[in-house]
Amino acid sequence: DGGITQSPKYLFRKEGQNVTLSCEQNLNHDAMYWYRQDPGQGLRLIYYSQIVNDFQKGDIAEGYSVSREKKESFPLTVTSAQKNPTAFYLCASSSWDRGTAEAFFGQGTRLTVV
Amino acid sequence: QQPVQSPQAVILREGEDAVINCSSSKALYSVHWYRQKHGEAPVFLMILLKGGEQKGHDKISASFNEKKQQSSLYLTASQLSYSGTYFCGTEMDRGSTLGRLYFGRGTQLTVWP
Repeated sequence: DGGITQSPKYLFRKEGQNVTLSCEQNLNHDAMYWYRQDPGQGLRLIYYSQIVNDFQKGDIAEGYSVSREKKESFPLTVTSAQKNPTAFYLCASSSWDRGTAEAFFGQGTRLTVV
Repeated sequence: QQPVQSPQAVILREGEDAVINCSSSKALYSVHWYRQKHGEAPVFLMILLKGGEQKGHDKISASFNEKKQQSSLYLTASQLSYSGTYFCGTEMDRGSTLGRLYFGRGTQLTVWP
């Protein structure tokens, strides 16, 4: 079945450590996104990518980094520079066709800094 | 550019109706609606396009008022399965961020038996 897979589901990190969240899709979508979700905040965009080897910062990119070496994969690294990384992270993909870019979401990764 | 959703929360009995609103200060090309159950991924409900018609399936429908840059989601004869947080995502009509969605903060809907 086609879909988008995030791993791991739960992740614990010590302060000062970098950690990478995985996101893979087999929907042949060009566009991929990373969102952060905090209670009462909705979905805030961290980074997005429209094509391989290209990506743009979203609204809250500070302390995060991404890469897009393959169409199927869009990993997110939460660096030690991110001051408050504990959150629920969602990866999504879409076809990037204007007006029909239905987003498909992964099941999310809940990151906790201990 | 984040759209404003209202109300923040709704509590209903089974069979009652609800309306969730989504407003933007920018000209919109499309509005997307998603529902998220606690701890799960958001699930797509529908897209409304500028100049398009009101959409719906089953007892959930939505409209898009281009003059007001506002969309409304209508849930009629609500069921227990409708419980969750509803998000609208808006796509700008012009500018450098074409295709990108801006999400509202969500409306938490609770349906009681």
